[in-house]
Amino acid sequence: AQSVTQLDSHVSVSEGTPVLLRCNYSSSYSPSLFWYVQHPNKGLQLLLKYTSAATLVKGINGFEAEFKKSETSFHLTKPSAHMSDAAEYFCVVTLSGSARQLTFGSGTQLTVLP
Amino acid sequence: DTAVSQTPKYLVTQMGNDKSIKCEQNLGHDTMYWYKQDSKKFLKIMFSYNNKELIINETVPNRFSPKSPDKAHLNLHINSLELGDSAVYFCASSQVGTAPDTQYFGPGTRLTVL
Repeated sequence: AQSVTQLDSHVSVSEGTPVLLRCNYSSSYSPSLFWYVQHPNKGLQLLLKYTSAATLVKGINGFEAEFKKSETSFHLTKPSAHMSDAAEYFCVVTLSGSARQLTFGSGTQLTVLP
Repeated sequence: DTAVSQTPKYLVTQMGNDKSIKCEQNLGHDTMYWYKQDSKKFLKIMFSYNNKELIINETVPNRFSPKSPDKAHLNLHINSLELGDSAVYFCASSQVGTAPDTQYFGPGTRLTVL
C-alpha cells in the first residue's frame, strides 16, 4: 500500500522569496515520487521525478526536491518565487518502476504575492 | 503537436443524458488512463488500459465505460449522468517499462451535470 500526505493545503509567499511545499509518503516498497503542477484551468504538468538515482532532483522552472528516506519526505523547493509559479502542486507516489498506480496527494495551492 | 489531447474541453449536460469524452495520445505510449478530479481537486484513477486491454478498474459505477479502439485512443462513455458526476476528467498516457514510466496528462474535460 502507498499513500502521500501534503502537509499544507495552502502556502503563500512573496515574490522573490523561497518556496517550500511539504510532502510525506508511505510505501511498502521503494517508491518513485513525482511532483506535478496544475495551473488554473489547465492540465497537469510534470515538474520533476525521483527514480532512486540521485536523492536531489532538479526539475523545470527552477524547482527541486530532495528524497529523504529516513524522514519519508519529498519536499519541493525553489529559491525564489515568481508570480507565474502560482498554481496547485501535487505530490505523487507510485511503486518503483511502475507508474501505473499513481497515488496523488491532496494538493497544495501556492499563492505568490507581489 | 499536442501530446495528449481531449475533447471536448467543456461539457454541460442534463441529468440522465449519455455523453462521451475522447482522448488521443501521439506519444506512442502503450498505456492510457482516466482520472477524475473532484471539486476539492482530489485526483483519483478510474481506469487504465494497456495495449487496448483493461488493467485497472477502480470502484467506478458501471455507468462509466471506457473504450479503447486502438492504443492511441481511450474514450470514456458515461450513461445516465448524475449530479455527482460533475468533475474534471483527465486522460493520461505512459509507456510501461521505462524507469519509471511517467504519466503525461491531457488538458482535462470539465463536465457539468445540471
